[in-house]
Amino acid sequence: DTAVSQTPKYLVTQMGNDKSIKCEQNLGHDTMYWYKQDSKKFLKIMFSYNNKELIINETVPNRFSPKSPDKAHLNLHINSLELGDSAVYFCASSQDLTFGEAFFGQGTRLTVV
Amino acid sequence: AQKITQTQPGMFVQEKEAVTLDCTYDTSDPSYGLFWYKQPSSGEMIFLIYQGSYDQQNATEGRYSLNFQKARKSANLVISASQLGDSAMYFCAMSLVASGSRLTFGEGTQLTVNP
Repeated sequence: DTAVSQTPKYLVTQMGNDKSIKCEQNLGHDTMYWYKQDSKKFLKIMFSYNNKELIINETVPNRFSPKSPDKAHLNLHINSLELGDSAVYFCASSQDLTFGEAFFGQGTRLTVV
Repeated sequence: AQKITQTQPGMFVQEKEAVTLDCTYDTSDPSYGLFWYKQPSSGEMIFLIYQGSYDQQNATEGRYSLNFQKARKSANLVISASQLGDSAMYFCAMSLVASGSRLTFGEGTQLTVNP
């Protein structure tokens, strides 16, 4: 059983399109995150949710909109995709808002052409 | 604010030898967690080891140990008996409750294990 699964694994799309990445965790965790890994491999937090409530919105353009229908799911919708959005997007979850191990999904490699 | 610094962009080690990957951190918060993750070429992020700021002993997980020196604000990862499969990017990260438990990552160290 995959603990944190995100789909799709690869996404190639044209500039200006709208796309979504889905994430689900079966660990019973309260907290979920989206991280972005750029071309230099640097990882940075984008959003976090705790029990469906937005906790962190890290100066991400408002073209990015996370949605958490329940605490096991955190989806990322991106409007009007730009070349600079090309990156690997990781979903992760942790038990709660205390510091603890975060489990990562396998990543979604987004390429905007 | 919190910051993680990994000063070794690349490291090389011979198979079966030990290697230390450096990590220093900066925070004024007394309560924090330190983590190491491995990212192989396949891309997934694999949790390796965790150290809490109040833990008295250094964390160990199999061949991985964390050399935690609180006064120096360092949290180096030691991999003993390196294997070819250890070749990967290694990230040090820190988490603060005050920051919503987000992970702040260092820039990573690319480890290559030579046969």
